[in-house]
Amino acid sequence: EKVMTQSPATLSVSPGEGATLSCRASQSVNNNLAWYQQKPGQAPRLLIHTASTRATGIPVRFSGSGSGTKFTLTISSLQSEDFAVYYCQQYNNWPPTFGQGTKVEIK
Amino acid sequence: EVQLVESGGGLVQPGRSLRLACAASGFTFSTYAMNWVRQAPGKGLEWVAGVSVSDGSTYYAVSVKGRFTISRDNSKNTLYLQMNSLRVEDTALYYCARSLPLITWGQGTLVTVSS
Repeated sequence: EKVMTQSPATLSVSPGEGATLSCRASQSVNNNLAWYQQKPGQAPRLLIHTASTRATGIPVRFSGSGSGTKFTLTISSLQSEDFAVYYCQQYNNWPPTFGQGTKVEIK
Repeated sequence: EVQLVESGGGLVQPGRSLRLACAASGFTFSTYAMNWVRQAPGKGLEWVAGVSVSDGSTYYAVSVKGRFTISRDNSKNTLYLQMNSLRVEDTALYYCARSLPLITWGQGTLVTVSS
C-alpha cells in the first residue's frame, strides 16, 4: 500500500495571499494523483486530477504540479471560500490511498 | 444532474451487520467504476472498497477485507456495501463516489457502531 504524506498539517494564510500544499508518495504514483477540497459539513470535491488537470468548474487559481513521488497544490490568491481541508489521493495502484489532509485556515 | 444518494446508515451494535445503498442518477451507471469512502468523526478520508466496470473486480481496504462486500446492480443503478462483523472503529460517515479519481460524491450516510 502506498503511503501519502501531506505537509503541513495546518497552513495559516491571509485572504488574498497564496498557499502551497505538498503531498509525497512512498513510491512513484506516476501522475495518477488527485486533490480534493472538503469544507465543514460537506462532501469532498474533486479539484485536480492527473496531478495538474483542473476538474470541471474549478477556478484557475487552483493549480497542481508534480509527478512520481512529489506533488504540489497551489492556490494563487485565497478567497474566503477556499478555507477548507485539502486531501491528496493516489489512484495509480489498488488500494487508492489518501493523505491525512492539510487544513488551510484564516490567519 | 449527476447525483448519488446514500441510505441505510444507522446505529448498530458491534458484531452486527448493515447494508448501505447508493442510488445513482444522471449518468450511465454501468459504465463507471464505483467506490465507498468513509470518514470517522473529526478524521480524514479512508477509501473502503471499489468495484471496477471492466470485469466487475472488487477491491477492499485491509481494514475491511473479509468483512465488507461491495456490489452493484446496474439494472437498478444502485451500489451496495454489505458490512458484517461491524466494529466500533467502523463508525463513520460513508460516502459513495463515482470513478477514480472520485469525480462525484454523495452526501454520505452515517454508521454508528456502539453497544
